[in-house]
Amino acid sequence: EAGVAQSPRYKIIEKRQSVAFWCNPISGHATLYWYQQILGQGPKLLIQFQNNGVVDDSQLPKDRFSAERLKGVDSTLKIQPAKLEDSAVYLCASSLGQGGINQPQHFGDGTRLSIL
Amino acid sequence: GENVEQHPSTLSVQEGDSAVIKCTYSDSASNYFPWYKQELGKGPQLIIDIRSNVGEKKDQRIAVTLNKTAKHFSLHITETQPEDSAVYFCAASIRGSGNTPLVFGKGTRLSVIA
Repeated sequence: EAGVAQSPRYKIIEKRQSVAFWCNPISGHATLYWYQQILGQGPKLLIQFQNNGVVDDSQLPKDRFSAERLKGVDSTLKIQPAKLEDSAVYLCASSLGQGGINQPQHFGDGTRLSIL
Repeated sequence: GENVEQHPSTLSVQEGDSAVIKCTYSDSASNYFPWYKQELGKGPQLIIDIRSNVGEKKDQRIAVTLNKTAKHFSLHITETQPEDSAVYFCAASIRGSGNTPLVFGKGTRLSVIA
């Protein structure tokens, strides 16, 4: 089966500019996650969707970050305006989202964002 | 909230030797513990996972053990090969029910020397 697709792979912008990332999860996966991975650290959750509804966005800096999953499939993550500390890899993951137990999360290869 | 500690941060082993990576978690409600392998420029790849109703799970050269009482779990790789070189992350689910996000450790950079 096709994996989680993300684009672009790399993005370089100047601080205070805006940027958007796109994710296409594995077909049939109801749950979608966006994680931020700063160099040398493990991924950290930004937001979780179940179908097109937000389940957890408690760690999303809402003054500058936004995300949507309008039709319950693809998702976009936006940063506006970007700060230097936003330099990181942005990872999208998806899981089946069925039943009451955790299903394995499968990750895309991420978008590497550099802020100048 | 959940906190996951991972040790060591770097590990070098000779090809053919075993490697062990250990993690501890803080929230006793966590019940799902996956391990991921991340190669340079790639996303994390799930290599094995364990649920809290199981004490040990094995898949060929990889095994994971879980001690719920002590709140720690470990990854064991036997007969290491150069292609095992990568960064390994442990993780724990938060809240412990449904499809919950993962809290990751800081990673272990494993180098297998041929």
